[in-house]
Amino acid sequence: GNSVTQMEGPVTLSEEAFLTINCTYTATGYPSLFWYVQYPGEGLQLLLKATKADDKGSNKGFEATYRKETTSFHLEKGSVQVSDSAVYFCALSDNTGNQFYFGTGTSLTVIP
Amino acid sequence: DTEVTQTPKHLVMGMTNKKSLKCEQHMGHRAMYWYKQKAKKPPELMFVYSYEKLSINESVPSRFSPECPNSSLLNLHLHALQPEDSALYLCASSQVSSTDTQYFGPGTRLTVL
Repeated sequence: GNSVTQMEGPVTLSEEAFLTINCTYTATGYPSLFWYVQYPGEGLQLLLKATKADDKGSNKGFEATYRKETTSFHLEKGSVQVSDSAVYFCALSDNTGNQFYFGTGTSLTVIP
Repeated sequence: DTEVTQTPKHLVMGMTNKKSLKCEQHMGHRAMYWYKQKAKKPPELMFVYSYEKLSINESVPSRFSPECPNSSLLNLHLHALQPEDSALYLCASSQVSSTDTQYFGPGTRLTVL
């Protein structure tokens, strides 16, 4: 079946630190992969996505590369800001139906 | 415009009340979704509508009743809820393709007393 395994949190970093949040997946076929961000009290916002192997999604300084060989889609940012404090969800959309498979979410807190 | 709107933003209801949550999108998407999200958890899929027809119902109790009056609107009718139904209810929409991006609304924070 399809599933997403996401790095356990919470993660606390100092401002300007490097961020990595690990995400690996199990899927049949050729899924699309997504990172969503949820700020406190809000809905989910699409952060970036990749639809095929070796694609790199990027937005607001965040990047993730679709690695089929390691079934991974790790989220990275070179220098985090306090405003990046949020919960990050890795998600997979397979090609068999209108379903998303979410990871458990990783809470990030960035301190000044 | 990639906006999905939801009303109300907050809702408090008693266990005997009947209320409705509303969701609207004008992106021309033909798939719409209801999710339930508890604190510190990922969203859980409740219902999927594809071309205004219910295509997925994830064994949701009958006290939740979805409705899709047209391609832009999605409602969730609530009746006889339990306190454990208190959660953030998220609506999303996408093109009718399994690999397309889902765009989420801001959610309705529901409290059942």
